[in-house]
Amino acid sequence: DAGVTQSPTHLIKTRGQQVTLRCSPKSGHDTVSWYQQALGQGPQFIFQYYEEEERQRGNFPDRFSGHQFPNYSSELNVNALLLGDSALYLCASSLAIGELFFGEGSRLTVL
Amino acid sequence: KQEVTQIPAALSVPEGENLVLNCSFTDSAIYNLQWFRQDPGKGLTSLLLIQSSQREQTSGRLNASLDKSSGRSTLYIAASQPGDSATYLCAVDQAGTALIFGKGTTLSVSS
Repeated sequence: DAGVTQSPTHLIKTRGQQVTLRCSPKSGHDTVSWYQQALGQGPQFIFQYYEEEERQRGNFPDRFSGHQFPNYSSELNVNALLLGDSALYLCASSLAIGELFFGEGSRLTVL
Repeated sequence: KQEVTQIPAALSVPEGENLVLNCSFTDSAIYNLQWFRQDPGKGLTSLLLIQSSQREQTSGRLNASLDKSSGRSTLYIAASQPGDSATYLCAVDQAGTALIFGKGTTLSVSS
């Protein structure tokens, strides 16, 4: 049973560019959440998708957007990258509002 | 606004010691509380989930307790091993959607 998978694992971008991160949830899970974790900090909630709609959003600007597909996989898009967007981006999946299972993350470096 | 605090920020112990990690939260109206482990540069591994109606959960050498009225949870690790070295994160779920994390306790167990 595959767990939560994320791609790419590492990527480097320059300021002003755009990035897309991808997530496949654990088998049987229908809900995907995205978190940003800066170095030395706890993860911060970005948003959650359920039934292809954004159900809840954290305190992040509109530069952060997402999408959930009919197969429950999800994408996180960040536009106009800033140096401060450098972080580990974590995807978590769950069945409705059950226990969250996290992927290994995508490490984004913005130069 | 819910805030989660973890004390201590770092802890070093010799192998074999029993230890306690602390987590406190400011709003007792939580849906559940979850403890995670994170190895350097990696994703989060769920250790224990305590529903709001429960007082504790156990898994192997780990025991987590929850006292909602006082806004506290503890993670007890028995007979610590070098393989337990990692960062331990506490997170509360208030509405069945977003988790609010503490900054974590970084544990180092020496052999």
